[in-house]
Amino acid sequence: DTEVTQTPKHLVMGMTNKKSLKCEQHMGHRAMYWYKQKAKKPPELMFVYSYEKLSINESVPSRFSPECPNSSLLNLHLHALQPEDSALYLCASSQDFRRGNSPLHFGNGTRLTVT
Amino acid sequence: AQRVTQPEKLLSVFKGAPVELKCNYSYSGSPELFWYVQYSRQRLQLLLRHISRESIKGFTADLNKGETSFHLKKPFAQEEDSAMYYCALMDTNAGKSTFGDGTTLTVKP
Repeated sequence: DTEVTQTPKHLVMGMTNKKSLKCEQHMGHRAMYWYKQKAKKPPELMFVYSYEKLSINESVPSRFSPECPNSSLLNLHLHALQPEDSALYLCASSQDFRRGNSPLHFGNGTRLTVT
Repeated sequence: AQRVTQPEKLLSVFKGAPVELKCNYSYSGSPELFWYVQYSRQRLQLLLRHISRESIKGFTADLNKGETSFHLKKPFAQEEDSAMYYCALMDTNAGKSTFGDGTTLTVKP
């Protein structure tokens, strides 16, 4: 399996809801990432996990809470979001980036709409 | 701080013409640079990595450390090359990738 799988594909949630985005890879990658992408803009890094430990949090508001239960799974828990959080959320994985030559493998993304 | 600049938001060429998508970067260490491509209704995917010095789908990109550039080139563009292209720099100490704003390439018949 050479893909990163994200679920759900689409999500509509109210500002008081709690929901989770899920990401899975079975390529043996040890780094996993969450990116946020607004329309016609490049992906913006949110979080990096390396060997299941959080290594980068790009000053993301606490209403976004990442979790890496094991080396194949990455979740993003959402709570009390704002309408401006509506975006495409991309998950990616890579081999150990410290060894170099570790390009990102992206999922198809979850299209999130906050109402 | 790392930064990637793609000066052209839109680029349009005719089929068979040469194409060059520009990318300049700013980084204090030794950079790892990539080109990613997104075709219509497909996921963002790797096209080229500088470290491999490969040619993929006829595209090449050479890292020029003196000019801090990593331009993407193809001698004869094809209609199926129409897509969004992102240049990206990875900080291998932290796993942080920074993307340029992207260039939308349109190859006209």
